[in-house]
Amino acid sequence: AQSVTQLGSHVSVSEGALVLLRCNYSSSVPPYLFWYVQYPNQGLQLLLKYTSAATLVKGINGFEAEFKKSETSFHLTKPSAHMSDAAEYFCAVSEGGFGNEKLTFGTGTRLTIIP
Amino acid sequence: DTAVSQTPKYLVTQMGNDKSIKCEQNLGHDTMYWYKQDSKKFLKIMFSYNNKELIINETVPNRFSPKSPDKAHLNLHINSLELGDSAVYFCASSQDGWGRQGSREQYFGPGTRLTVT
Repeated sequence: AQSVTQLGSHVSVSEGALVLLRCNYSSSVPPYLFWYVQYPNQGLQLLLKYTSAATLVKGINGFEAEFKKSETSFHLTKPSAHMSDAAEYFCAVSEGGFGNEKLTFGTGTRLTIIP
Repeated sequence: DTAVSQTPKYLVTQMGNDKSIKCEQNLGHDTMYWYKQDSKKFLKIMFSYNNKELIINETVPNRFSPKSPDKAHLNLHINSLELGDSAVYFCASSQDGWGRQGSREQYFGPGTRLTVT
């Protein structure tokens, strides 16, 4: 079974600083990888996805992630943090075939922005 | 226009009761899911339906019974509620992704916070 590991359950950065949220995956086949964001008391919103088209993936709100097969990583970055980025971030891997797909999530990273 | 909607948003009930959560998607997707998010924010899949057919059942107690009257709806009925059922339940949907580049992402509803007292 495929899995993802998010290093750091809590990350704090100053406003304007670089955001780096770490995700490592375990997969025996080329993975489909996703980053979702969850704002307080809301559902999950897709930030970006990796589907093997390009290793550097750009998402919404200025976020991007780079797929590194040699490191089995898919870390999420943003050059300059904004107060509105404070949320819970989830890395996920999709497994299964036609009509049998499911997302397996990491344990999440809570991002706090320091004014 | 809401893509994936759930009702109710909050549900407070007592142990032993039976309750239902409804989910609707207007994206024309073929597959719908139920996920459970526990108090530590951990998300785990419970069920998936593809064109009204149950595909995934992740060892969920049989007190939980999903029902899909049509492709756009997936409801979750829970019998004999227990304290441990307290969680946030998310509905999601996706288009069949096999062989299509760029697909497989799932769109989530706003969640239903279930509190069992």
